[in-house]
Amino acid sequence: GNSVTQMEGPVTLSEEAFLTINCTYTATGYPSLFWYVQYPGEGLQLLLKATKADDKGSNKGFEATYRKETTSFHLEKGSVQVSDSAVYFCALTDTGFQKLVFGTGTRLLVSP
Amino acid sequence: KAGVTQTPRYLIKTRGQQVTLSCSPISGHRSVSWYQQTPGQGLQFLFEYFSETQRNKGNFPGRFSGRQFSNSRSEMNVSTLELGDSALYLCASSPGGTSGVTGELFFGEGSRLTVL
Repeated sequence: GNSVTQMEGPVTLSEEAFLTINCTYTATGYPSLFWYVQYPGEGLQLLLKATKADDKGSNKGFEATYRKETTSFHLEKGSVQVSDSAVYFCALTDTGFQKLVFGTGTRLLVSP
Repeated sequence: KAGVTQTPRYLIKTRGQQVTLSCSPISGHRSVSWYQQTPGQGLQFLFEYFSETQRNKGNFPGRFSGRQFSNSRSEMNVSTLELGDSALYLCASSPGGTSGVTGELFFGEGSRLTVL
């Protein structure tokens, strides 16, 4: 089946620093790609998505581009805030209905 | 619009017992999925229901089961609990059918199960 590999955390940054969280995938066919975020004590929220190659998903200053040639979907933000501290999950669709395969998650800690 | 509601939020059980978790999806959403989240295994897909039919199932033993009602509410049941079943169980809903993007899920806050 499909699989996702994302960088180990935690990632520790100062406020206003540039963020990159790497995500690569292995898949058959043409999966959709997602970044979900989990704030402390909460469920997951969809952050952004891309459904085909070269699509760029963006939301709240975060961006990720679906790169089929490198099988990657790296998450970036130009200037992080303390409120961005959370766990970020890369995910892709797998065979069958509404089945997502998630990466292990990367914890982001942003200090003032 | 109310989000996905899961009950109970926290519960403690002992080995061998069984547990039922409930999920109310966003109004109008007909697809409900369940995921298990643990520190060791991460997020793993349990099953998905649409219009009271299970359409997809993950690699979990038969002790894990679920169902969906005509109002789209869903329950999952775990029988003969084991210590390893301790986890956060997340429910997610989506419009289902041909609406929306497959994989674009709306998650509840989860039910945290502790098995002693």
